Amino acid sequence: LAKTTQPISMDSYEGQEVNITCSHNNIATNDYITWYQQFPSQGPRFIIQGYKTKVTNEVASLFIPADRKSSTLSLPRVSLSDTAVYYCLVANQAGTALIFGKGTTLSVSS
Amino acid sequence: EAGVAQSPRYKIIEKRQSVAFWCNPISGHATLYWYQQILGQGPKLLIQFQNNGVVDDSQLPKDRFSAERLKGVDSTLKIQPAKLEDSAVYLCASSLRTGAPYEQYFGPGTRLTVT
Repeated sequence: LAKTTQPISMDSYEGQEVNITCSHNNIATNDYITWYQQFPSQGPRFIIQGYKTKVTNEVASLFIPADRKSSTLSLPRVSLSDTAVYYCLVANQAGTALIFGKGTTLSVSS
Repeated sequence: EAGVAQSPRYKIIEKRQSVAFWCNPISGHATLYWYQQILGQGPKLLIQFQNNGVVDDSQLPKDRFSAERLKGVDSTLKIQPAKLEDSAVYLCASSLRTGAPYEQYFGPGTRLTVT
């Protein structure tokens, strides 16, 4: 089972780009990487998912190097509403063995 | 589209008592998950159902926790007897099917306090 390591916290200002890196050194060949966002008193919300290289959607980009031992969630031009905990999740292709990391608390200030 | 519903939202019980949580997933979602989230930590998967069959319950403390998903729709998670360390938020999630790339949709959770 791939365990993940993330920074505990990060600080940023509105309008900046934020990059959060997750280490998953023992990721298996068929594992996928997914990122979730969680606000206080709410359940996590899906942000983005990838297997290799780069994935982009309307809210974020996910960069995965060739060795796949880490991944970076990139949030362009953050706002105060992006203040939340961000979780990196590694799961196999079958969708089992789901292990969330401890999460990164992102604080965005004006 | 209605989201994942959970009840109750909050529950306070004494240790050694029993408690049950209910979850109604998004209509049509075959896979249902129960997670335990202790304050300051990421969610920990307790059990995963595909329709009404168990896919993964390797981290479910089976001596005190039980879960069922009758008819492949609603699910209940029970703790009996509760311990102080069971104080946590219990999250239910559902996905269209098991497997990548199916994203999970989470409910608001039930906050359990064991005194």
